Amino acid sequence: QKEVEQNSGPLSVPEGAIASLNCTYSDRVSQSFFWYRQYSGKSPELIMSIYSNGDKEDGRFTAQLNKASQYVSLLIRDSQPSDSATYLCAVHYQKVTFGTGTKLQVIP
Amino acid sequence: ETGVTQSPTHLIKTRGQQVTLRCSSQSGHNTVSWYQQALGQGPQFIFQYYREEENGRGNFPPRFSGLQFPNYSSELNVNALELDDSALYLCASSPGTSGRADTQYFGPGTRLTVL
Repeated sequence: QKEVEQNSGPLSVPEGAIASLNCTYSDRVSQSFFWYRQYSGKSPELIMSIYSNGDKEDGRFTAQLNKASQYVSLLIRDSQPSDSATYLCAVHYQKVTFGTGTKLQVIP
Repeated sequence: ETGVTQSPTHLIKTRGQQVTLRCSSQSGHNTVSWYQQALGQGPQFIFQYYREEENGRGNFPPRFSGLQFPNYSSELNVNALELDDSALYLCASSPGTSGRADTQYFGPGTRLTVL
């Protein structure tokens, strides 16, 4: 079982819709959770960090964490074509482990 | 801009050679981590340094080594290059008290091609 799992996609959503990105992790003692956005050929850019169960909102982005289910998600409201990128889930305990990323395509 | 820089941007080497990649962290960031990202994959953790000491290592062989300097710069050295070492190499810095690699800020990366 991979430590951090994400659906590779591509996930296609129409402009203005909600994009839902999911991630599961295997290490129950994981403490910190991150979502990064990576455009093709560029380095990862931090979007959200979340440390406790529940929702955390920042603008159009909402991160959701459920430690009991070992599940973290990212919702993007009012999706824009500029949101088209690969979204990486990262989990931290002693080291940061990344998933393989989900490619999001927002269709104009 | 994250304030983290890396050099060079691109590099081409041949199998068996050695390479040194460089990173300059944000001032005050005591922790630096290095990652290897192959095409279509997520970044893979190589190792982490806190105040010039290695304090975490991923599943990479000893031919991957590093250094961190007091001026917030660091190096990744790879000996005996193999074709599979071709990847984007990323460094990430964080304020990291007590060596915790918390919120990380990535540099632009170095694209290494091994022929």
